[in-house]
Amino acid sequence: AQTVTQSQPEMSVQEAETVTLSCTYDTSESDYYLFWYKQPPSRQMILVIRQEAYKQQNATENRFSVNFQKAAKSFSLKISDSQLGDAAMYFCAYEGYDMRFGAGTRLTVKP
Amino acid sequence: GAGVSQSPRYKVAKRGQDVALRCDPISGHVSLFWYQQALGQGPEFLTYFQNEAQLDKSGLPSDRFFAERPEGSVSTLKIQRTQQEDSAVYLCASSSGTAGNQPQHFGDGTRLSIL
Repeated sequence: AQTVTQSQPEMSVQEAETVTLSCTYDTSESDYYLFWYKQPPSRQMILVIRQEAYKQQNATENRFSVNFQKAAKSFSLKISDSQLGDAAMYFCAYEGYDMRFGAGTRLTVKP
Repeated sequence: GAGVSQSPRYKVAKRGQDVALRCDPISGHVSLFWYQQALGQGPEFLTYFQNEAQLDKSGLPSDRFFAERPEGSVSTLKIQRTQQEDSAVYLCASSSGTAGNQPQHFGDGTRLSIL
């Protein structure tokens, strides 16, 4: 079974600074997708960024970028120029044969 | 509506009662997923539909859990003889593709509390 590990239960960043959230996963599949989702207190899971495993180029989406290391099975999220609205739970997710989520990282943004 | 709609948003039931949770996916979305999210945890996969076919129900925790999508659009998750451990947020997601080739869009979830 695939497992997704987020080793940082909580992270904190100063507004306008950069923060990196870590994620590792375990799989024997060669084709899969990786995601970062944001979940504010409203509970809705919002897709932040998506990476296809067969693509070597790291995905970027405005202030959000990933560092995808397929051999190391690592998929970290970098948030640049952090904003107060970035505060939320962040979940790393893997989709191959099935969909698995990590336990989440709670991000606090300090003004 | 434009997004995935779930109802009710909150549900309180007494232990032993049956509950039904509804999900209206985005119109035209082929895939529909149900997840269970316990407090402070990430979502756990329950079941997956492609149109009306339930292709994967490996995540359903017991035979008290039943899901259906009879016409390939609206889905209902039913929990029979509820137990306290069933208390969680139940998330529904839909996707225009299959097997991850399109992202999942999530609803706001139903928070189920079993007394």
